[in-house]
Amino acid sequence: KQEVTQIPAALSVPEGENLVLNCSFTDSAIYNLQWFRQDPGKGLTSLLLIQSSQREQTSGRLNASLDKSSGRSTLYIAASQPGDSATYLCAAGKGYSSASKIIFGSGTRLSIRP
Amino acid sequence: DTGVSQNPRHKITKRGQNVTFRCDPISEHNRLYWYRQTLGQGPEFLTYFQNEAQLEKSRLLSDRFSAERPKGSFSTLEIQRTEQGDSAMYLCASSLDTSQETQYFGPGTRLLVL
Repeated sequence: KQEVTQIPAALSVPEGENLVLNCSFTDSAIYNLQWFRQDPGKGLTSLLLIQSSQREQTSGRLNASLDKSSGRSTLYIAASQPGDSATYLCAAGKGYSSASKIIFGSGTRLSIRP
Repeated sequence: DTGVSQNPRHKITKRGQNVTFRCDPISEHNRLYWYRQTLGQGPEFLTYFQNEAQLEKSRLLSDRFSAERPKGSFSTLEIQRTEQGDSAMYLCASSLDTSQETQYFGPGTRLLVL
């Protein structure tokens, strides 16, 4: 059974710092790995999706990496801004099939101090 | 607005009542997912449709829960005889039937059972 863990549960850093959020998964047979952002009381916004054959994806100040063999993914945020404050969730995709679904971690609540 | 929409956004009900939520996916998306999210946790998969066919249901989806997508467009999630433990955010997502399979989430319906 796939389990996805995100540590720490909460992180507070001053504005301008670069930071790394961590995600680990127990079953390396994943199809893809997604990072989402969730603002309080809102739905999820997809940030980056890494296919199992890929090692990383970049979008603006965000870079996500994937190491299937070690069961880890990281989300790197460069030059953090107060607007980056949100909960960041990673999710491991089970597979491209009629039974496809994704397993989420509990998220890291990020706070960027002005 | 061409994103995923959900109605209502908030629902307060008394224990034992039935409630129904609606999700309108992105128009060209043929996959539709329902998730449940409790405070401080990541979303948990409930069920998934490919067009009008319900292809998978989680064990979380007890007999009191039923989901439909009659014409392969919008979907409804009904909870019968609600219990206080049903209080959660119910999220809907949709995606294209491709290998990329990025899921786009709606804003959610927050249910409170008194």
